Amino acid sequence: GENVEQHPSTLSVQEGDSAVIKCTYSDSASNYFPWYKQELGKRPQLIIDIRSNVGEKKDQRIAVTLNKTAKHFSLHITETQPEDSAVYFCAAAYTGANSKLTFGKGITLSVRP
Amino acid sequence: GAVVSQHPSRVICKSGTSVKIECRSLDFQATTMFWYRQFPKKSLMLMATSNEGSKATYEQGVEKDKFLINHASLTLSTLTVTSAHPEDSSFYICSARDRNRDTGELFFGEGSRLTVL
Repeated sequence: GENVEQHPSTLSVQEGDSAVIKCTYSDSASNYFPWYKQELGKRPQLIIDIRSNVGEKKDQRIAVTLNKTAKHFSLHITETQPEDSAVYFCAAAYTGANSKLTFGKGITLSVRP
Repeated sequence: GAVVSQHPSRVICKSGTSVKIECRSLDFQATTMFWYRQFPKKSLMLMATSNEGSKATYEQGVEKDKFLINHASLTLSTLTVTSAHPEDSSFYICSARDRNRDTGELFFGEGSRLTVL
């Protein structure tokens, strides 16, 4: 089955700086890679996703890049703000019927004011 | 659109009792729902895949007689923790996929925090 590794496990940045979170996956059949943000005690919220037919996707301060050859994808947050502080999970799946997402272990991002 | 509602959000029960958690897709139909368990500061651990009209598929190490899953309609799945014990205390989250969208995106419920005394 799929195995998703996420690095680092914690990340602290100064407000205004950029943050980069990296994930690797093992199953070359995976074609869907979402990123979720989870605040303490709340549900995970999808912040951006990318499919295997593109290499990069951007939405305002957030971008995701995908390298299918190396089987890794990264989340980039620019101009970080204190409200970006949360746990971020990457995930991977093959979007067939009843496919399930495999999540990374999560990273705690802290943005220092 | 694409809202998943989970109830109850918090439940406290005595050891030995059973607790039922509901997961509803409010504005879409879901042939598949997923149940996760999350320990403090840990990732989402998939427990089982709930399939409408058929038996759930459990992940390795998850006791199906302990965690009963029923998916009787296209908008409702339930998780029953039977004979709960303190070690079952956890945050349980469901998610659902819209059967009419072939995007792979999962929509999560609010989660249910179970405390077993």
